Amino acid sequence: EVQLVESGGGLVQPGRSLRVSCAASGFTFDDYAMHWVRQAPGKGLEWVSSISWNSGSIGYADSVKGRFTISRDNAKNSLYLQMNSLRAEDMGFYYCVKDMKREVGYYGMDVWGQGTTVTVSS
Amino acid sequence: DIQMTQSPSSVSASVGDRVTITCRASQGINSWLAWYQQKPGKAPKLLIYAASSLQSGVPSRFSGSGSGTDFTLTISSLQPEDFATYYCQQANSFPPLTFGGGTKVEIK
Repeated sequence: EVQLVESGGGLVQPGRSLRVSCAASGFTFDDYAMHWVRQAPGKGLEWVSSISWNSGSIGYADSVKGRFTISRDNAKNSLYLQMNSLRAEDMGFYYCVKDMKREVGYYGMDVWGQGTTVTVSS
Repeated sequence: DIQMTQSPSSVSASVGDRVTITCRASQGINSWLAWYQQKPGKAPKLLIYAASSLQSGVPSRFSGSGSGTDFTLTISSLQPEDFATYYCQQANSFPPLTFGGGTKVEIK
């Protein structure tokens, strides 16, 4: 069964850091690009960051650029999002998502994890 | 950056109705558009990719069309399990990858 399981979410104070992780199983992880998509409570979907199969292509939303870092470890079938200088507006549900292809874009995001909650509050 | 505008933001419909949701891109994106369905408390689910290709396992009552800047998602005969929020997403220009604001399909 194709599965993505996020972990590492929680409560963090403004300005602090948090790293969320995603464990992939049931597919050949290094054959696909991966994404992080977030959703604030009661709001729509917001793309956060993407990484190609070999980490050769990486992109970030303007809202997180310079503060967040996406990475992957193909040997461990894992995706990561290092979040620094967290703000209240970063609060929400963070989804780990698999792309349909090796490179980012063009097709769609076909497998979604159940998400992990990030709360930023003092 | 490419902006994605969905309309309507919500629609009330009855079981059996035909429902059409529109997504407009601020500039041409060829056919690189995906549609997702999200039910409350659940992760989104891919319905359509490349504007008109039906994802495996998705019922055939869902269809997508369009290219360039104007796209539609059509549910030919609304079923009880289709009441949800639908999002479009452009995949032509990266970064960023942009989602539309969502369309909530509610029971009439």
